[in-house]
Amino acid sequence: QVQLVESGGGVVQPGGSLRLTCAASGLSFNMYGMHWVRQAPGKGLEWVAFIRYDGDNQNYADFVRGRFTISRDNSKSTVYLQLNSLRADDTAVYYCVKGGYYDVWSHNDYWGQGTLVTVSS
Amino acid sequence: EVVLTQSPATLSLSPGERASLTCRASQSVSTYLVWHQQKPGQAPRLLIYDSSKRATGIPARFSGSGSGTEFTLTISSLEPEDFAVYYCQRRNNWPYSFGPGTKLEIK
Repeated sequence: QVQLVESGGGVVQPGGSLRLTCAASGLSFNMYGMHWVRQAPGKGLEWVAFIRYDGDNQNYADFVRGRFTISRDNSKSTVYLQLNSLRADDTAVYYCVKGGYYDVWSHNDYWGQGTLVTVSS
Repeated sequence: EVVLTQSPATLSLSPGERASLTCRASQSVSTYLVWHQQKPGQAPRLLIYDSSKRATGIPARFSGSGSGTEFTLTISSLEPEDFAVYYCQRRNNWPYSFGPGTKLEIK
């Protein structure tokens, strides 16, 4: 079955950087769009970014554009989220979400377990 | 940018009762509206897509309706495992924003 495993979270100082990784298995990874969604502690869900199945198109939430970069390596069935210029309000659990088959969204979501990013001095 | 609002913020009901949760969009999203359920410590689970279609494995007591700017998630008879937070999300175009959530709690 589909599995998404995020890693790379941790504690970072304001202004610092992290790279999150999501390793996928159980699917033909190069045929699916992928998303990142985050959730601050005790708060709601925020869509962060999307990357097309071939990596040729990316979309971002307004609050991250210019600071975060989504990318993928289809040979490794992995999607990444590079986080730069981190701020305290970027503190959240970051989830990797499988998108659609040659599409943006699926009718059958799969979410990873999430990785916690804490921005604090 | 389209903003989603959800009401009520908290809904207190008893098992066996009917629950109705509302999601409103500031502009039309057609039927590109989904509902998620999230329990503490877990990732969200997709319940409803395209406003009214149940995702794989979702019980028939969950139903969705609406189009344009007003949507409803109905749980016909609450089971103990249904008490959770419910989020709507628009999927017509990016940014694919979420509503703030409705917490369904046991009365």
